[in-house]
Amino acid sequence: EAQVTQNPRYLITVTGKKLTVTCSQNMNHEYMSWYRQDPGLGLRQIYYSMNVEVTDKGDVPEGYKVSRKEKRNFPLILESPSPNQTSLYFCASSPLAGANNEQFFGPGTRLTVL
Amino acid sequence: GESVGLHLPTLSVQEGDNSIINCAYSNSASDYFIWYKQESGKGPQFIIDIRSNMDKRQGQRVTVLLNKTVKHLSLQIAATQPGDSAVYFCAENEGAQKLVFGQGTRLTINP
Repeated sequence: EAQVTQNPRYLITVTGKKLTVTCSQNMNHEYMSWYRQDPGLGLRQIYYSMNVEVTDKGDVPEGYKVSRKEKRNFPLILESPSPNQTSLYFCASSPLAGANNEQFFGPGTRLTVL
Repeated sequence: GESVGLHLPTLSVQEGDNSIINCAYSNSASDYFIWYKQESGKGPQFIIDIRSNMDKRQGQRVTVLLNKTVKHLSLQIAATQPGDSAVYFCAENEGAQKLVFGQGTRLTINP
């Protein structure tokens, strides 16, 4: 089944403890992106990747890192999580190297930072 | 920066009626627009998209209208069903780099 998967789906952690949220797609998509969703603010882009080894900042990149060593994987890294990073995170992918195409979203990761 | 907004944060319709969800955008350079549906506990799901060289596009029970003159986008859902209850997001592209999402409209279906 063609899909975007994220792990974990739920995570409760403490301030300062490094964590990684994985994202994987099995559709051979070029473009991948991370969003966070907060009440009243909609979906905001954190980072995106146009292709392997090509990543760039979105609107809210502070406190996050990403890597794109393989086409299928696009992990989101929080080196030192803080409570303001408590949010619902979505990974998305798109078949072409650009955002002006349909993006397929993962199921989301709900992160709570205490 | 540009913004993508919605005229109404919530919309309630009777089952069987048609629903119209509106969206305003501000970036004249945007050439791709897309609607997503998000059900509780799930990721956004593609509904329909439209490029700026079109003003109307139809799918199954859904129609997207694009009015570039007034920078307005709308989603029409015909014969609304209980399964249509969700939050609907419009989004526009910012070049090839990203989609900019609106805040969403919650659609509630009354029996």
